[in-house]
Amino acid sequence: AQSVTQLDSHVSVSEGTPVLLRCNYSSSYSPSLFWYVQHPNKGLQLLLKYTSAATLVKGINGFEAEFKKSETSFHLTKPSAHMSDAAEYFCVVSSNAGGTSYGKLTFGQGTILTVHP
Amino acid sequence: NAGVMQNPRHLVRRRGQEARLRCSPMKGHSHVYWYRQLPEEGLKFMVYLQKENIIDESGMPKERFSAEFPKEGPSILRIQQVVRGDSAAYFCASSPPSGGSWNEQFFGPGTRLTVL
Repeated sequence: AQSVTQLDSHVSVSEGTPVLLRCNYSSSYSPSLFWYVQHPNKGLQLLLKYTSAATLVKGINGFEAEFKKSETSFHLTKPSAHMSDAAEYFCVVSSNAGGTSYGKLTFGQGTILTVHP
Repeated sequence: NAGVMQNPRHLVRRRGQEARLRCSPMKGHSHVYWYRQLPEEGLKFMVYLQKENIIDESGMPKERFSAEFPKEGPSILRIQQVVRGDSAAYFCASSPPSGGSWNEQFFGPGTRLTVL
């Protein structure tokens, strides 16, 4: 079984300040981890993914995340928030559960990021 | 290369009617996934299909819901006799045929179903 917990349902920051969106996961198998972003009434866009290579993953738009196996965490960070970053962010885990050859995605509840001028 | 296409973007149905949601995967992708997003919740896996085959439907409600991905044409998610609780955003995603949990899934814009 696998699960994802996003620790904050809402995060509010000022433009130009750092962003931290927290995510903890649980997986019985070696997981792949993703962060997706969803702007209002839009589809989901992949920000970054961890697939057992480097533990610090860089994504688009200045976002990055660090995989910490000992803490079962995959927190998303950005040094300086921009107004256009305001959106909902989903932490996602995928694993070859039960010997399947594909990844079934399990989504966290989402974190809504608000950026103030 | 067009992305994942879904139509309609918005669908309004009355209780008891049927809803048909369509998904055209990205070119070259033969794997299709359907997810449902209820208000205030994250996306929940419903079904995984390859061409002409349902691979995993463990997230599908046992009644009224069905999905297909024919040899030709889009994937269809069909909801019969809709109820108010079916109101949600339904997202389709596709991935290339090489498989593996590391495959990124590319998402469509979603269909927002409202049941009156």
